[in-house]
Amino acid sequence: AQSVAQPEDQVNVAEGNPLTVKCTYSVSGNPYLFWYVQYPNRGLQFLLKYITGDNLVKGSYGFEAEFNKSQTSFHLKKPSALVSDSALDFCAVRDMGFQKLVFGTGTRLLVSP
Amino acid sequence: NAGVTQTPKFQVLKTGQSMTLQCAQDMNHEYMSWYRQDPGMGLRLIHYSVGAGITDQGEVPNGYNVSRSTTEDFPLRLLSAAPSQTSVYFCASSSGGPNQPQHFGDGTRLSIL
Repeated sequence: AQSVAQPEDQVNVAEGNPLTVKCTYSVSGNPYLFWYVQYPNRGLQFLLKYITGDNLVKGSYGFEAEFNKSQTSFHLKKPSALVSDSALDFCAVRDMGFQKLVFGTGTRLLVSP
Repeated sequence: NAGVTQTPKFQVLKTGQSMTLQCAQDMNHEYMSWYRQDPGMGLRLIHYSVGAGITDQGEVPNGYNVSRSTTEDFPLRLLSAAPSQTSVYFCASSSGGPNQPQHFGDGTRLSIL
């Protein structure tokens, strides 16, 4: 069965600095990987996805993610953080044979002014 | 374009009561699912459906029923509410294929006393 690990409960970064939110996954076969963001009292919003191809995926709001097959990782990145990026970020994985999407436990991103 | 609409937004129940959480989508999506979100546990899949008339269990199905009589609607029924079902419930939908991102509603915040 597929699984996702987000090892950090919280990531703190100063505005203007680069940010990284970590995610590792486990699936059989090729993975479909996703990042979602959740703002207070809202549902999850899709940020970006990896299917196959380029290892650096670009998404919404200037976010990007780096796929590393050998390390089974899919870390979320942004070159210059904004205070408005503060939110709860979720990594998710689905393998080719299943419709189920499995989420990590989430990482709270706090960007300070 | 409304996307995924969940009603009600808030609900308080007494132990043993039953209720139905409503979910409707206007994107003609085949795949719909219900998740619950609890602190420190991320999102856990309750039930999902790959099309009208087809439903299946997710990770935490006990105490919940679903049906899918139309493409648009996917209600979640709590048969006999328990305090352990206090949570935030999210409905999501997507078009077919494992590479398609899910679209989420804004959630129903449910408290069981």
